Amino acid sequence: QKEVEQNSGPLSVPEGAIASLNCTYSDRGSQSFFWYRQYSGKSPELIMFIYSNGDKEDGRFTAQLNKASQYVSLLIRDSQPSDSATYLCAGDAGNNRKLIWGLGTSLAVNP
Amino acid sequence: SAVISQKPSRDICQRGTSLTIQCQVDSQVTMMFWYRQQPGQSLTLIATANQGSEATYESGFVIDKFPISRPNLTFSTLTVSNMSPEDSSIYLCSVVPAEGEREQYFGPGTRLTVT
Repeated sequence: QKEVEQNSGPLSVPEGAIASLNCTYSDRGSQSFFWYRQYSGKSPELIMFIYSNGDKEDGRFTAQLNKASQYVSLLIRDSQPSDSATYLCAGDAGNNRKLIWGLGTSLAVNP
Repeated sequence: SAVISQKPSRDICQRGTSLTIQCQVDSQVTMMFWYRQQPGQSLTLIATANQGSEATYESGFVIDKFPISRPNLTFSTLTVSNMSPEDSSIYLCSVVPAEGEREQYFGPGTRLTVT
């Protein structure tokens, strides 16, 4: 059974701090990984994707992938209250472009 | 990225009836998927909508209960048939815009309540 696991949280950080969200996956064949943000009552919004080992930065967001450890993370620098949401991690399930989804981590950024 | 709309945005339906949800994209896309999300839960894939052919269903989902159509590269429908309260959920369509891409983009969702 292919799985993606996330700590459900809630993760609470003060405004301006770095929020670190983590995800592990079981399928060594997964090549690409995605982070989605979901506000309450809204649909998931893609914020980052990463295909290669190492770091990928986009504004305040950095995705990190370590294929040897089967570990993906998302760092949010200078966290803002508007970052408060559930963050979903997903990995690809192979050539059919389906995704395997984690259960999500709830993040609260406190002013 | 593609602009995705869903109709209806929400509905309240009686047990035993059926509801058809539409997903419209403003450009041709290569892949379309239908998901269900129960309150406080993650996403569960129902099926892959295949253009011009039968959808590919995930384990636990069957065509008689969730018939899906995809007549072209910009439109798909999901019908929830013979509804029960357990079908109350948010239904989401997602798309992969182009060949070679893997990123999925989601529509705004349809919130269904079955009474």
